[in-house]
Amino acid sequence: EAGVTQSPTHLIKTRGQQATLRCSPISGHTSVYWYQQALGLGLQFLLWYDEGEERNRGNFPPRFSGRQFPNYSSELNVNALELEDSALYLCASSPQGEFFETQYFGPGTRLLVL
Amino acid sequence: GNSVTQMEGPVTLSEEAFLTINCTYTATGYPSLFWYVQYPGEGLQLLLKATKADDKGSNKGFEATYRKETTSFHLEKGSVQVSDSAVYFCALRDNQGGKLIFGQGTELSVKP
Repeated sequence: EAGVTQSPTHLIKTRGQQATLRCSPISGHTSVYWYQQALGLGLQFLLWYDEGEERNRGNFPPRFSGRQFPNYSSELNVNALELEDSALYLCASSPQGEFFETQYFGPGTRLLVL
Repeated sequence: GNSVTQMEGPVTLSEEAFLTINCTYTATGYPSLFWYVQYPGEGLQLLLKATKADDKGSNKGFEATYRKETTSFHLEKGSVQVSDSAVYFCALRDNQGGKLIFGQGTELSVKP
């Protein structure tokens, strides 16, 4: 069974640009979560999508947004990039049913803002 | 709010030594608890989990027991290997918000 996949693996942008990160969940998983792992700040929750709807949002400004498509894949968009947005962005997915609470992570997209 | 506190690293051990990484949590209710591991340059891998009090999660020689009385979920391994060198994260699932709340991570370095 294929795991969570993310693209691209690395992304280099300059301040003020927009970045788009993509995530494909494990087959059969309907929930997708986004986390930011910035140096010195640990793992911070960004967004949770389930069945195409945004279910929860972390303490991030509105320029962080995303969506979930009918095939349950997801996109994270970061507008007006700032230097401190440089981080590893991790996507996770979870199944329905009794194992709903377990999140499985992808390899991440490393975003560098210059 | 909910939170997770882990012992600070880095932790340096010799091969075959005993490992304990302490993790305590603050939460309303009884959330599911997890340990994830992150190898250099990679994403997070689920190591083990426990969903209710007194549950013991185990995998690859690692164990952790959900202790409601002490609000703890300490990670242990009887004999570490060089290949166990990684960063270990303790986490709980916020049952209302769906998110995982992570501790700050503990870096483990195992020397031959």
